[in-house]
Amino acid sequence: GAGVSQSPRYKVAKRGQDVALRCDPISGHVSLFWYQQALGQGPEFLTYFQNEAQLDKSGLPSDRFFAERPEGSVSTLKIQRTQQEDSAVYLCASSHRTGYYGYTFGSGTRLTVV
Amino acid sequence: AQRVTQPEKLLSVFKGAPVELKCNYSYSGSPELFWYVQYSRQRLQLLLRHISRESIKGFTADLNKGETSFHLKKPFAQEEDSAMYYCALSGAVQGAQKLVFGQGTRLTINP
Repeated sequence: GAGVSQSPRYKVAKRGQDVALRCDPISGHVSLFWYQQALGQGPEFLTYFQNEAQLDKSGLPSDRFFAERPEGSVSTLKIQRTQQEDSAVYLCASSHRTGYYGYTFGSGTRLTVV
Repeated sequence: AQRVTQPEKLLSVFKGAPVELKCNYSYSGSPELFWYVQYSRQRLQLLLRHISRESIKGFTADLNKGETSFHLKKPFAQEEDSAMYYCALSGAVQGAQKLVFGQGTRLTINP
């Protein structure tokens, strides 16, 4: 694709509901990152994939957060039993080489938990 | 611990005036530093990297290891420079680079 695509663009979830956020990276990009951006803050690292391998998930805030990239392309970030503090913009980024950090960001998914 | 501090949340200057967005960092090693920009209704995009020593859209940034700073500068601001600016520092993650971002500075250029 022309860029990193994220869906849905907006998501409103009731507290306790499970949500799944999708990221479609640029074709052929090896590295994929998820970031969380709370209102008024800079993005914060959640997790990183190299192809299908999740090499770092140190930024996931709790075991309610789970990410996967089973075929090394599309990735899904799942949040179980959403809480109000999960409200944020979730950004996905990809890059075409391992270790290359000029990555391309998606437009993000704005999650609001009510 | 890796940390990036942008002390100004808001910065407003007049068109044609010089602009400087401050960024300080803490990192126990050789840092890789970046500036990212987000224009209204657009996605976050890379503005410049210290390692490439380039000037993009008239902006430059010099890494000062003694002061642990990476301030972004432009001698003559233009209205189209109005945007959100984030300073970021990279930390190695098994061969890839995750970024630690500052809180951001919203720059407004007044006509």
